[in-house]
Amino acid sequence: NAGVTQTPKFRVLKTGQSMTLLCAQDMNHEYMYWYRQDPGMGLRLIHYSVGEGTTAKGEVPDGYNVSRLKKQNFLLGLESAAPSQTSVYFCASSYQAGAQPQHFGDGTRLSIL
Amino acid sequence: AQRVTQPEKLLSVFKGAPVELKCNYSYSGSPELFWYVQYSRQRLQLLLRHISRESIKGFTADLNKGETSFHLKKPFAQEEDSAMYYCALSNSGYALNFGKGTSLLVTP
Repeated sequence: NAGVTQTPKFRVLKTGQSMTLLCAQDMNHEYMYWYRQDPGMGLRLIHYSVGEGTTAKGEVPDGYNVSRLKKQNFLLGLESAAPSQTSVYFCASSYQAGAQPQHFGDGTRLSIL
Repeated sequence: AQRVTQPEKLLSVFKGAPVELKCNYSYSGSPELFWYVQYSRQRLQLLLRHISRESIKGFTADLNKGETSFHLKKPFAQEEDSAMYYCALSNSGYALNFGKGTSLLVTP
């Protein structure tokens, strides 16, 4: 039981390049989330999904797209990377909303040059 | 609007001293509050949630609706408690609203 797995763990991109971050969970959770963590800013929600085939915007969605084609996977895409997107990205999942705790992945450290 | 405030970016205490990490929130409904911890090079993990009223690793947190606070406390800090601590509020929807975090450093 791996929980929440994120790939890749590290990546360096050049401005304008595109890439996709993959999040996979094996807990049969309905809800999945993408956060970014920046120094002094805490965790900010980018996008989230309440079930297969659904996505919704969070606090800082601009420059990102997401897809939830399968229940266990939640993909975060950067179409044209910008230096401001240099951050650590965390994926999380939860069984339900509200008081159910979120389970986090190890994070992806992304640098945009 | 809901907001979680952790006023201290860094808190440094000596081993064996009491520690209190502050968290204040603003939310119009009935809040559901959590403390998450991130140890060095580890993933974020749940430490406490207010509905459980439990003690984990010696930490407790009481929801004070009058003061809109959910401070995290431990009577005797240990070096292994050094970590980043995040207070989070769950809205009536789906997502967690995190504070900016407090870095706790416990020195010998």
